[in-house]
Amino acid sequence: DTGVSQDPRHKITKRGQNVTFRCDPISEHNRLYWYRQTLGQGPEFLTYFQNEAQLEKSRLLSDRFSAERPKGSFSTLEIQRTEQGDSAMYLCASRWGETQYFGPGTRLLVL
Amino acid sequence: GENVEQHPSTLSVQEGDSAVIKCTYSDSASNYFPWYKQELGKRPQLIIDIRSNVGEKKDQRIAVTLNKTAKHFSLHITETQPEDSAVYFCAASIQGAGSYQLTFGKGTKLSVIP
Repeated sequence: DTGVSQDPRHKITKRGQNVTFRCDPISEHNRLYWYRQTLGQGPEFLTYFQNEAQLEKSRLLSDRFSAERPKGSFSTLEIQRTEQGDSAMYLCASRWGETQYFGPGTRLLVL
Repeated sequence: GENVEQHPSTLSVQEGDSAVIKCTYSDSASNYFPWYKQELGKRPQLIIDIRSNVGEKKDQRIAVTLNKTAKHFSLHITETQPEDSAVYFCAASIQGAGSYQLTFGKGTKLSVIP
């Protein structure tokens, strides 16, 4: 599969724990996005990378969230001290031209 | 920031009928409007897109129209089939500056009844 991949696909954690998600974009895409999708809503933009540089962050990205793309290839999204409100699908996308290609997402459930 | 409204939230049609989903956007600088289809448990997939310098675009049974003056755009699916059942999202983006982030509508759940 040459599309965007994400790992893990599902994560259940207890409130207060830290979690980390990984995204592997399509190999030639140097632009990468993270979105969050809650039930019954469209994806909401969280942050954007061009190569290894994080160029834009949404106000949705609180201090407990951090994203990295250390070598301009894969990216990680970490949530510290998870809260029940963090339960959502976390989607990664990579862009070529105008088109954003989405990964399958990581579904997070915080108990 | 940009705000995208999408209607209806649910839509049921008989197989073979047409389906229309409408979206409005708020930021007149938006110039790129993609539509994504998301089946249950799967990733959003681009089905069609339109740029602001084009009024209509068609791809087989799917078409999108854009009215820049009114700031609204619509998805038209003709001869619907059961496999068209999914959630459809419209989105808007400003291409040419910044992150090109997508602002999505809340989605329309389309059910095609055989």
